[in-house]
Amino acid sequence: EIVLTQSPATLSLSPGERATLSCRASQSVSSYIAWHQQKPGQPPRLLIYAASSRATGIPARFSGSGSGTDFTLTISSLEPEDFAVYYCQQRYNWPITFGQGTRLEIK
Amino acid sequence: EVQLVEFGGGLVQPGGSLRLSCEASAFTFSNHWMGWVRKAPGKGLEWVADIKNDGSDTYYVDSVKGRFTISRDNAKNSLYLQMNSLRVEDTAEYYCARDNGRHYDFWGQGTLVTVSS
Repeated sequence: EIVLTQSPATLSLSPGERATLSCRASQSVSSYIAWHQQKPGQPPRLLIYAASSRATGIPARFSGSGSGTDFTLTISSLEPEDFAVYYCQQRYNWPITFGQGTRLEIK
Repeated sequence: EVQLVEFGGGLVQPGGSLRLSCEASAFTFSNHWMGWVRKAPGKGLEWVADIKNDGSDTYYVDSVKGRFTISRDNAKNSLYLQMNSLRVEDTAEYYCARDNGRHYDFWGQGTLVTVSS
């Protein structure tokens, strides 16, 4: 099983600041990492796929990078609606796995 | 616009059964893998099961193998999850999601399953 480890568990920042979230895989997943955002009471939403491609309708302030085992989600300038939980996901190998999530909270 | 709508959640006693359904629209259902993902209270997302577009292959997380069965009816644009021998730890919001082969790209709103006596 590929274990995805996200860090930090919680990130406290202010609107306008830059957020950097990390996802590390226990073995290579090539570029097959996706990032999902989930707000309370809502389903997850796909933000980034194939490590660096933005999903339809996702603002340009969201960007992804990395390959192999180390991946990063960057939000260049936080908007109030960006405070949520973020999960990375791999479907490179079965079983599909998610990271444990990073909670992005308002400082 | 792609839509996934789940049905069938509710309160069930430990050892009981429940069948979840997911109705899909606005895309060619038979072309896509589909999956179920759950989120237990206070925990993160956990993949549950996936099924190939034609139903010929299925995959499960170890904790539900032998208890849950994923299936689909492409004529009805519908995905199902038959859950038997339910445990308290199966309590979660269950989401239906479209699997495009490398990631989930659309998610339903979810249906809540509560296993409690």
